[in-house]
Amino acid sequence: AQSVTQLGSHVSVSEGALVLLRCNYSSSVPPYLFWYVQYPNQGLQLLLKYTSAATLVKGINGFEAEFKKSETSFHLTKPSAHMSDAAEYFCAVSRTGFQKLVFGTGTRLL
Amino acid sequence: DARVTQTPRHKVTEMGQEVTMRCQPILGHNTVFWYRQTMMQGLELLAYFRNRAPLDDSGMPKDRFSAEMPDATLATLKIQPSEPRDSAVYFCASGSVRDRGYEQYFGPGTRLTVT
Repeated sequence: AQSVTQLGSHVSVSEGALVLLRCNYSSSVPPYLFWYVQYPNQGLQLLLKYTSAATLVKGINGFEAEFKKSETSFHLTKPSAHMSDAAEYFCAVSRTGFQKLVFGTGTRLL
Repeated sequence: DARVTQTPRHKVTEMGQEVTMRCQPILGHNTVFWYRQTMMQGLELLAYFRNRAPLDDSGMPKDRFSAEMPDATLATLKIQPSEPRDSAVYFCASGSVRDRGYEQYFGPGTRLTVT
C-alpha cells in the first residue's frame, strides 16, 4: 500500500528565506508523486508532479522538488519565500498514473 | 477557463436529514473522484468513477453514503441519514486518462455541517 509522511504540521519562514517542506513516501511499486497547495476555503491546486521522468521537477510559482529513490523522499523547495506562499501544502502518492491519490497530513506554511 | 463546479458550497443540516452534493466535472474528463477532508482524518478518498462506472468506493461508508454519475456531466454524493461525524469538506476532482500529466482538477468543495 502507498503512503506519504509529511514532517512538520507547521513550518514558519521569513519572506525571502528558503522554503523546505519534507515528504517521504512508501510504495511497493515505482510511485507517482504530487505536491498540491490549498489556500484558505479553496480546493487543491497542483504545484508539480513526478511521473518517472526527470527526478528534478519544476512546478508553478517557483517551486521545485527532487525525487530521491534511495531516500524515498520528494521534498518541496523554493529558494525565496513570498507572502503569497502562505497556504497548506499536501504531498500525495498514487500507484499508477491515474488512480486514487493518498495524501499526507499536510504542512501549513506560515 | 474550465473548472470543476460543486454545489452547494455550504450546507447546514440536522442529523437524520438527507444531503445531496453535486459535482460537474470538466467537460471531456472521464474520471471523477470524491474526497473528504476533516481535521482528524485529513484528505481521504471516498470513491471514484471512470466513464461513469464506479472503480473504487472502498472508502465510503456503504450504509449511509452513495455515489452516482447519472451522466457524464454530473456526479452526485448522497448521505442518508446524515450524522454529526459527517461534517467535513467534500471535494470533487476530475481528470482524463488521455492526459499523461495525470493531474486531478479539484473543485472548491462543499462544506457540510451536520448538527
